[in-house]
Amino acid sequence: IAGITQAPTSQILAAGRRMTLRCTQDMRHNAMYWYRQDLGLGLRLIHYSNTAGTTGKGEVPDGYSVSRANTDDFPLTLASAVPSQTSVYFCASSDRSTLAGGEQFFGPGTRLTVL
Amino acid sequence: AQSVTQLDSQVPVFEEAPVELRCNYSSSVSVYLFWYVQYPNQGLQLLLKYLSGSTLVKGINGFEAEFNKSQTSFHLRKPSVHISDTAEYFCAVSDDAYSGGYQKVTFGTGTKLQVIP
Repeated sequence: IAGITQAPTSQILAAGRRMTLRCTQDMRHNAMYWYRQDLGLGLRLIHYSNTAGTTGKGEVPDGYSVSRANTDDFPLTLASAVPSQTSVYFCASSDRSTLAGGEQFFGPGTRLTVL
Repeated sequence: AQSVTQLDSQVPVFEEAPVELRCNYSSSVSVYLFWYVQYPNQGLQLLLKYLSGSTLVKGINGFEAEFNKSQTSFHLRKPSVHISDTAEYFCAVSDDAYSGGYQKVTFGTGTKLQVIP
């Protein structure tokens, strides 16, 4: 593995179903993030984690949950999917230090369609 | 609070012509500035970043950006674009403050650069 991987690449999901998007990084970064990207809105932060064992809410956390059991993995769960959660989801990570300035590294994304 | 404005949602330009993608930001503290590029169906990749020092920053693929503190701008430029530069470009800002427990990065809404052959 090099960098950040996400799975699945794409998914079509029926409304009301539960879905977990997977994210794994091998850079030993302490901070990880989940964004959604929607046309005209740019990237919006859903949840973040500063370090293993801690998580926090971003701009648009409703309907989503995350966990951070270890440094490498940061899964995003939709407990009961709704059509408004149709989006492209990006996982990112960063070295949480001033020297890094907040530079983030992104995965390839998961395209999710909720019908 | 910090914010980023990318004034142009789309910029068409002929191949080998120069291009400038505009970015303005607002922040109450010292900032770090970034430009990311997103090729179709891919994630974002860092193009260049300003952390401190020289206000002219050079990045990959011949791009450069200039940090102008008085105008709160960080415009991206390339003197001669190529077809392969067709992509969406995002400006982003972060600061020293760990607001709400994390180092917040705010992204602009993106500018789609379309290079015309």
